[in-house]
Amino acid sequence: EVQLVQSGAEVKKPGESLKISCKGIGYSFTNNWIGWVRQRPGKGLEWVAIIRPGDPETRYSPSFQGHVTISADKSISTAYLQWNSLKASDTAIYYCARGGVVVEPTTWDHWGQGTLVTVSS
Amino acid sequence: QSVLTQPPSVSAAPGQKVTISCSGSSSNIGRNYVSWYQQVPGTAPKVLIYDNNKRPSGIPDRFSGSKSGTSATLGITGLQTGDEADYYCGTWDSSLSAGVFGGGTKLTVL
Repeated sequence: EVQLVQSGAEVKKPGESLKISCKGIGYSFTNNWIGWVRQRPGKGLEWVAIIRPGDPETRYSPSFQGHVTISADKSISTAYLQWNSLKASDTAIYYCARGGVVVEPTTWDHWGQGTLVTVSS
Repeated sequence: QSVLTQPPSVSAAPGQKVTISCSGSSSNIGRNYVSWYQQVPGTAPKVLIYDNNKRPSGIPDRFSGSKSGTSATLGITGLQTGDEADYYCGTWDSSLSAGVFGGGTKLTVL
């Protein structure tokens, strides 16, 4: 059974750094894209970034380029999303999702349970 | 402002049919497959439709998808109260080189 298991909720202050994780279980981690999606309270889904762990090729949505870093450690089948300096506007639930193997992935077939990130002074 | 445009809300009575539209452009829906996701409040999204009109195993045939040009549509027949959720369309935007979602549509089953 394919599963994506995310790290637990975090509470941070503005300006602090953070790295959240997503472990892929039950499939070949290197071949499929893994993406991160943000959902602010009461709002819709927004793509943040994606990575193909085997390369690793990365792509960032323009709104998030330069503010977050996506990475992966294929030896432990885990993807990460990292901030060097958090802002209050980063408060959201972050989901990881598994994509296909094509160059431009359009389907995300398995999702993690979500990680709540709260940034508050 | 989302790249893909969906109506904010739709509603219908139990047993009825509803459609949800998703409008994009030549750089996204016009050249790539569309997928649809259901999100019940407090839970992670779940894929309902992929590659415009295919259903993953376990998704009932009450859910259907179609695409024409730069627009896509999700159809749900035989509405049930359990279908109340937020629905999102998604695809890849080849100009942005990034995934994109619609703003989401809240379905109310009256």
